[in-house]
Amino acid sequence: KAGVTQTPRYLIKTRGQQVTLSCSPISGHRSVSWYQQTPGQGLQFLFEYFSETQRNKGNFPGRFSGRQFSNSRSEMNVSTLELGDSALYLCASSLEGLVYEQFFGPGTRLTVL
Amino acid sequence: AQRVTQPEKLLSVFKGAPVELKCNYSYSGSPELFWYVQYSRQRLQLLLRHISRESIKGFTADLNKGETSFHLKKPFAQEEDSAMYYCALRRAGANNLFFGTGTRLTVIP
Repeated sequence: KAGVTQTPRYLIKTRGQQVTLSCSPISGHRSVSWYQQTPGQGLQFLFEYFSETQRNKGNFPGRFSGRQFSNSRSEMNVSTLELGDSALYLCASSLEGLVYEQFFGPGTRLTVL
Repeated sequence: AQRVTQPEKLLSVFKGAPVELKCNYSYSGSPELFWYVQYSRQRLQLLLRHISRESIKGFTADLNKGETSFHLKKPFAQEEDSAMYYCALRRAGANNLFFGTGTRLTVIP
């Protein structure tokens, strides 16, 4: 099976712009979670989608949003980018149910100038 | 609220020496604890989970609810164990993970 894929792998944006990141889960996985990884804060949970519904949300401002499509692919959007949004954004997918392992993608490296 | 603490950012041990990566957590309910590992240029991947009670690549971790700890141990470190290790917690009824800040383990030949 192909692993979790994320596109693009690298992005450079300027302050005030918006950005959309994409995640394709492993085939058959319906849960998709997003995490932000920074040197200072480590890995922080953004949100989780399951069957096109946001099931759980972390403590991030409303500028961070996401959605999931019927094929389980997910996108996250960050509007009005700030310098502090520079980070590695990781997507993870898992089978439905809480006992299953999360599989991580390679991440999208976002740099905000 | 939940919190995962990994007190050591960096840990260096010699090959063949025992290694212990510390993880403490705070959570009022019954958590599920994990160790994830990220080798150089690779994805974050699950190493082990406490409910499995298994040994992976020679690593073991025991959940100590009294001390709220989930330390990762290996009796004899190998060079290929050099990596970034993250302890993570999952709350009851939720699918997302709360991570510690990670410990970079370097095994010196």
